[in-house]
Amino acid sequence: ETGVTQSPTHLIKTRGQQVTLRCSSQSGHNTVSWYQQALGQGPQFIFQYYREEENGRGNFPPRFSGLQFPNYSSELNVNALELDDSALYLCASSLAQGGRANYGYTFGSGTRLTVV
Amino acid sequence: AQRVTQPEKLLSVFKGAPVELKCNYSYSGSPELFWYVQYSRQRLQLLLRHISRESIKGFTADLNKGETSFHLKKPFAQEEDSAMYYCALSGLSSGNTGKLIFGQGTTLQVKP
Repeated sequence: ETGVTQSPTHLIKTRGQQVTLRCSSQSGHNTVSWYQQALGQGPQFIFQYYREEENGRGNFPPRFSGLQFPNYSSELNVNALELDDSALYLCASSLAQGGRANYGYTFGSGTRLTVV
Repeated sequence: AQRVTQPEKLLSVFKGAPVELKCNYSYSGSPELFWYVQYSRQRLQLLLRHISRESIKGFTADLNKGETSFHLKKPFAQEEDSAMYYCALSGLSSGNTGKLIFGQGTTLQVKP
């Protein structure tokens, strides 16, 4: 059984650019959630994908978007990067039944994004 | 508003001493509470959830709805308990997506 893998591990981008972060969910999981963790803060919920559709969103602007693929892997896209987008981005997968996650989330190690 | 508050950024104790990591929450409904732990250079992992009512690695946490608290306790701290601890909340209302609301985290440092 493999865990959650995220790529890349580190990334430096310039303000205004676009970025795509990737996540492979744990084998057998069908739900992926993305979190942003700023330095010294707890993770903040961005959105969740279930059956390739967005299934809940946190307080993030539309320039944060995502995709989930048939194999349950996922991408997080951020357009028009701002300096405040610098953070650790965490992906978490779980097995949802009936559209509700069972809270047994497995987290990836994260992608450290730096916007300069 | 849904909120999780961990009032201590750092808790430092000696090995063998009791530990209590505080967590208070704000939620208008039936919350589910969790403790997550992140050891050095490891990923975030679930420690325990209130619904399970179990003890993991000697840690327990009781949901106190009257005080809206979910403090994490261990009677005798071990050096390997040193880590960052996050309290998290999720609602059990209809339409719930299972999103987790995290506190800011408390670093537990257990000294020899």
